[in-house]
Amino acid sequence: DQQVKQNSPSLSVQEGRISILNCDYTNSMFDYFLWYKKYPAEGPTFLISISSIKDKNEDGRFTVFLNKSAKHLSLHIVPSQPGDSAVYFCAARGYQGAQKLVFGQGTRLTINP
Amino acid sequence: GAGVSQSPSNKVTEKGKDVELRCDPISGHTALYWYRQSLGQGLEFLIYFQGNSAPDKSGLPSDRFSAERTGGSVSTLTIQRTQQEDSAVYLCASSLDPKNIQYFGAGTRLSVL
Repeated sequence: DQQVKQNSPSLSVQEGRISILNCDYTNSMFDYFLWYKKYPAEGPTFLISISSIKDKNEDGRFTVFLNKSAKHLSLHIVPSQPGDSAVYFCAARGYQGAQKLVFGQGTRLTINP
Repeated sequence: GAGVSQSPSNKVTEKGKDVELRCDPISGHTALYWYRQSLGQGLEFLIYFQGNSAPDKSGLPSDRFSAERTGGSVSTLTIQRTQQEDSAVYLCASSLDPKNIQYFGAGTRLSVL
């Protein structure tokens, strides 16, 4: 069963506009959520995270929102830049005290000039 | 080294052969993880090490897969009698401790012909 889902395989956004990437999860025991960014032929790079006790975390152009009642989180990038073009993975941790990350399938973000 | 190092970066093997994949974590990181990413999929957890012990091996897909970690540092993932479905990118990550952010290497792309 897919415990973390990213339902949009791809997203295209104009440079300078806001990019919104979405992620849904099914397990309420997850206590920590992360976003990773991946360029081709490179490993995933940590971007931003949020604890389940918070509903928002902001770092520069990146903001992550968590809606626990809806089991939904989103990543906002504003303003979007060409260098943001990459695959973004949502990940969750903490089910049954586990340290492993459970990843979504990823969303390919393309920023158009 | 500055980051997580994996070798080889690419490995092509024939079905039925054994392969060994190596991971050098960030110096001082006690936790080490192996994941794999099959084509078009998200990252799938394989095994987690804390020091030289593996408290969570739940993601290893079959008994053909094994891993060890020595000296609390380098880890080797071994796949015996490789099958075509083993073709994937194998990613290693390390973290300072299990509660901290996981940092990924660039991965080993395994192709089984």
